[in-house]
Amino acid sequence: GESVGLHLPTLSVQEGDNSIINCAYSNSASDYFIWYKQESGKGPQFIIDIRSNMDKRQGQRVTVLLNKTVKHLSLQIAATQPGDSAVYFCAESIQAGTALIFGKGTTLSVSS
Amino acid sequence: EPEVTQTPSHQVTQMGQEVILRCVPISNHLYFYWYRQILGQKVEFLVSFYNNEISEKSEIFDDQFSVERPDGSNFTLKIRSTKLEDSAMYFCASSSSLERGADTQYFGPGTRLTVL
Repeated sequence: GESVGLHLPTLSVQEGDNSIINCAYSNSASDYFIWYKQESGKGPQFIIDIRSNMDKRQGQRVTVLLNKTVKHLSLQIAATQPGDSAVYFCAESIQAGTALIFGKGTTLSVSS
Repeated sequence: EPEVTQTPSHQVTQMGQEVILRCVPISNHLYFYWYRQILGQKVEFLVSFYNNEISEKSEIFDDQFSVERPDGSNFTLKIRSTKLEDSAMYFCASSSSLERGADTQYFGPGTRLTVL
């Protein structure tokens, strides 16, 4: 079945560095991709999303890149802060608003 | 800022018992979802609900599960006869519409279900 996976389970960076979290997806029919941040004991928190007709989308300190040729999604966090420490999940769906298929998550640890 | 709320935060039950998990979606949202996350694993889709009926469900959502919107604000997940493997965090989510730009799914804080 479809699955969304992440390349690395953990990522450790220094405060102020830029972080890049990667994700590979398997369903070429997916049209919608989204990144969530999950802190311990909390629900997934929306970060940024992108549709398949775009390659790049920017938010506040975050950028999502989509490469449909190799089915790869990445989240870039600029000037990473200790408050960014969390588990990051990418997810995909056939259409925005339908079932999200989540990847396994990358734990980002930011040291000051 | 509007947010999804869930009660209880933690539910402990005996195997075979029925449980009802409750959610209050964001007030102007039209689409509602349940997901679960077994400890240390990824989030898994269970069911989506729109216009008082199930619009999509996963293989996990078998006959032991049901959803209901009993009034204009609550959205519930019922597990009729809990099993040990139902122990997980259950997340409710909601989104406003399928129109572009208004379909982000916002998640609640979750209910931790422990089946003994």
